[in-house]
This record gives sequence, structure tokens and C-alpha cells, in this order.
Amino acid sequence: EPEVTQTPSHQVTQMGQEVILRCVPISNHLYFYWYRQILGQKVEFLVSFYNNEISEKSEIFDDQFSVERPDGSNFTLKIRSTKLEDSAMYFCASNNRGEDGYTFGSGTRLTVV
Amino acid sequence: GEDVEQSLFLSVREGDSSVINCTYTDSSSTYLYWYKQEPGAGLQLLTYIFSNMDMKQDQRLTVLLNKKDKHLSLRIADTQTGDSAIYFCAVPHGSSNTGKLIFGQGTTLQVKP
Repeated sequence: EPEVTQTPSHQVTQMGQEVILRCVPISNHLYFYWYRQILGQKVEFLVSFYNNEISEKSEIFDDQFSVERPDGSNFTLKIRSTKLEDSAMYFCASNNRGEDGYTFGSGTRLTVV
Repeated sequence: GEDVEQSLFLSVREGDSSVINCTYTDSSSTYLYWYKQEPGAGLQLLTYIFSNMDMKQDQRLTVLLNKKDKHLSLRIADTQTGDSAIYFCAVPHGSSNTGKLIFGQGTTLQVKP
């Protein structure tokens, strides 16, 4: 069964450093998303991406965040200067508008120290 | 704005039925979803229901939808210890089924032997 792949599974970084979280969506999907889940809290929407541009972003997705689809397969989330409060599980998802809807990756646990 | 609400915790005995409830505000969604999250793991699509259906059954899972009251429920028959997890109700914003997913807080299901 096709799946969304995320790497790394766990990343530890120092406050102020830049991190790039990587995702390979399902190959025939056209819509891509990033979500985050702070430990013990709700899954929160960050950004959606379609046709090589951001289609929607939340208030969490400020200037420190950016997304890119550098080639035909990868979809990345960059955090420019990490803060302690960026520590969370980050999930990538992709969607083909079918009834199965949104397929999620297994997540990257980001720990900012 | 859009909101999805769930009860936070449910405890049942093995073999009993579990019912997890969800209410939502966005009535334009075409599909509504249930995801399962096991400890430390990603979001696994459990089941979904099309918005013009009242009920969907899939093996031990039954989804009931009351569109008038904007109420969704997930029933797990013959609950097993392996069903212990967090269950999220998720509703897409808008009718296109590509908008951001709005998640409930998640219901932790504890299954006692």
C-alpha cells in the first residue's frame, strides 16, 4: 500500500538552529500538508500546498517556517531559527481528493534543546 | 472558526463495546474521518463516512453521522486490548475534501483485560 515517508524519525537540535524536515508524499497525490502535535495536545494544521504554492497557512506558520517541493518527490518543512516551543511531532500528509482523503506519514519528533 | 470536540477519555472492559463521540461545526465537509494513534506512532486512517450517509459499518467499526446535530460517533464492537490508543475525529474544512483537516482533541481509549 502506498505510504507517506518522513525523515528523520527523530531530530534533536539546539535552539536557534535551522532544521529541515523531509517528506515523500504518495506519488500521484497533488495536495500536501504539514501538521504538528505538541506532546499531549491536539494535532494542529500548519500549511497546505498545491500546484507549487501555499494554498493555506495557519497563524502558527509565521516567517520562521517555509515549505518547498524542490523536485518531483520531496516536500520539506524548514524552521529557520528553532525555539524551545517548536518541540513537537511534525506530520506530513498528502491527498488525492479521493474518499481515502488524507494519508499521514509516521512523523518526525523534533526536540529543541 | 471551525471546531471539533471530543471527550478526552474512555475506559472499557475487553469484550465490551466502545463508543467515542465527536461534535463539529463545519457542515460543508464531504467526508468525515476517524484516525487512530498508538503510543509514539503516526496517524492511521481508521475509517471515514460520506456526509450523505447516516451509518457505515466496517467489520467491528460502526460510524454514525447525525448531520442535523453535527454529531459523529465511532463504535468499536468487542473491544480488544489492542484497540487501546488515542482516537481522533477529523473534519476537512470546506466541501472539496482537500482543505485543512480540523482535529478533535483525541479520545484516549483504555481497554482493561
